[in-house]
Amino acid sequence: AQSVTQPDIHITVSEGASLELRCNYSYGATPYLFWYVQSPGQGLQLLLKYFSGDTLVQGIKGFEAEFKRSQSSFNLRKPSVHWSDAAEYFCAGSTRTYKYIFGTGTRLKVLA
Amino acid sequence: NAGVTQTPKFRILKIGQSMTLQCAQDMNHNYMYWYRQDPGMGLKLIYYSVGAGITDKGEVPNGYNVSRSTTEDFPLRLELAAPSQTSVYFCASSYSLEEDQPQHFGDGTRLSIL
Repeated sequence: AQSVTQPDIHITVSEGASLELRCNYSYGATPYLFWYVQSPGQGLQLLLKYFSGDTLVQGIKGFEAEFKRSQSSFNLRKPSVHWSDAAEYFCAGSTRTYKYIFGTGTRLKVLA
Repeated sequence: NAGVTQTPKFRILKIGQSMTLQCAQDMNHNYMYWYRQDPGMGLKLIYYSVGAGITDKGEVPNGYNVSRSTTEDFPLRLELAAPSQTSVYFCASSYSLEEDQPQHFGDGTRLSIL
């Protein structure tokens, strides 16, 4: 069955530290992959997306993600976290249908 | 740009009551979606629509109904509210069903059923 897994429910980092959020997918073929961010009381905002080509994808707010086919992963990274990055992050995948499959989310806490 | 607008933002219902969650988008998107978000569960698709007059079920449609009389609006109806429907509901829209088209989300409706 198709699935998207985010192994970390909560992550805490200090402001200025680097960040990596993990996402693994299980699909018959390589899906299209997305990272969304959800701030408290808000909807989901697209950070970046991967379809094909360059495996390192740049997004908004200084985020990037790297697609690794051999590891079935699409991890999100940021070199230096800001307090405003505290939010919940969702990885999602889709194939040739309407259907997004979302991971269960990773809640990021940033320490001052 | 308004994007996707959901109303109300919060609501408390009693068991057995009915209500309609409103969703409107101003991006002329043909495709619209309703999700529910439960803690630790991610988002699950309830219903979707590919255009005015056309709707179809998603993963978790039981207990809900939708209609799509215009391109802009996609209301979600709960006929007999049950505690299991306590959740955060998100409406989304996209330009097409192609997998490379991101979905745009509203800010959600937080619904509690007591």
